[in-house]
Parts: sequence; structure tokens; C-alpha cells
Amino acid sequence: DVVMTQTPPSLSVAIGQSVSISCKSSQSLVYSDGKTYLHWLLQSPGRSPKRLIYQVSNLGSGVPDRFSGTGSQKDFTLKISRVEAEDLGVYYCAQTTHFPLTFGSGTKLEIK
Amino acid sequence: VQLVESGGGLVQPGKSLKLSCSASGFTFSSYGMHWIRQAPGKGLDWVAYISSSSGTVYADAVKGRFTISRDNAKNTLYLQLNSLKSEDTAIYYCASRSFAYWGQGTLVTVSS
Repeated sequence: DVVMTQTPPSLSVAIGQSVSISCKSSQSLVYSDGKTYLHWLLQSPGRSPKRLIYQVSNLGSGVPDRFSGTGSQKDFTLKISRVEAEDLGVYYCAQTTHFPLTFGSGTKLEIK
Repeated sequence: VQLVESGGGLVQPGKSLKLSCSASGFTFSSYGMHWIRQAPGKGLDWVAYISSSSGTVYADAVKGRFTISRDNAKNTLYLQLNSLKSEDTAIYYCASRSFAYWGQGTLVTVSS
């Protein structure tokens, strides 16, 4: 199984600051079609997860451009510029390249 | 787009339950679909996948006990849960291919 190692486990940031979350996979996430199926999800408190970023760097529908994703092969980063209060919650990276699908353990973002 | 799960509840160990996920607002028959679960206070755990052509893949933890299926005429995804164990206690979410769309989840509690 592909192990997704996500860091840090938690973050506390002030409104307006920028933050980055790292996600490293135990295997390359490049699929046979050449695409990389690494996604970022946000689970706000009491809500179901929502996809923010798909295939490393593509912004999901309705997601503000304060969110950005970078990376390749086994090393990926989610950056949130100018954090807002609504950004609090748990962020997960997820890979859909290899079965079984796997998720990072999550990064809890708190607002100072 | 809307995904609405139903069928969760309290069930005794060893018993069965069938979950449903009703889809609307997109061409359900063209999408692969997942079931993902989240134990109380824990992270996300992929359970099963069914392709648009009804090919299936399961997590090892549920293989032989759970069955994913779909009825494209009814725009509905199903998960049959048999031989339930206490460790199957979780919120069960349905989600579309690449996690673009998620339901609100349905809680399954396995306890005597």
C-alpha cells in the first residue's frame, strides 16, 4: 500500500498569514497515463470533506485562488496564502493512482 | 450536484446493513464511485470503488464482507455490509471519482 506521510499534524496561524502543508508518498504517484492523481481535501468542523485541489495543482470548483498545490512524483505541498477564518479544519492529501486508495493522516489548521 | 447517503444505524456484531447513496445533478452512470469511512475522531479510510462499468475493488479490511454495487437507472450507489465488526463503526461517505463530490455521510454503529 502507498503510505502518505503528511506534516505537520497541526498548525496555528493568524488571519492573513500563509502556511504550507507537506505530503510525501512512499511510491511515485504518476499513473500510466502520465497524470499524477494526488489531491487535497479540507474537512471543516462537522462537515464532510471537500476537494480543494486535484491532480497536484488544479483548483477545485469554487475554491479560492489563495489555495495552490505543487509537487511531483512523491513530494507534494499545499500552500494557503492569506489564511481566512473559514479555512480552519483538517486538511488531507489523498492519492487515487494506486489501489488501495490512501490518505494522509491529516493536518489540523487552527486560527490564532 | 448532490449525493445523499442513507441506511446507517445501530447494528449488532455479525449482522448486516445496506447503505444507499442517491446521486443527482451529474451523469451518475459515467462516474466511478467510492465508499470512504471515518471512524469517530479518526482520519479517512477508503473502503471500496466501483467503476462506471461496474468493476469493483475493495480494501483488504472489508474484502469478502462488503459488496459495492450500483443501479444506474435509479442513480443510486449501494454498499452491503455483512458480518459487521465493532471496528466497522464509522461515518460512511459516498464520493465520486477523484473525490470531486461527497455526500454528508451516514453513521454506522456496530455494538451489542
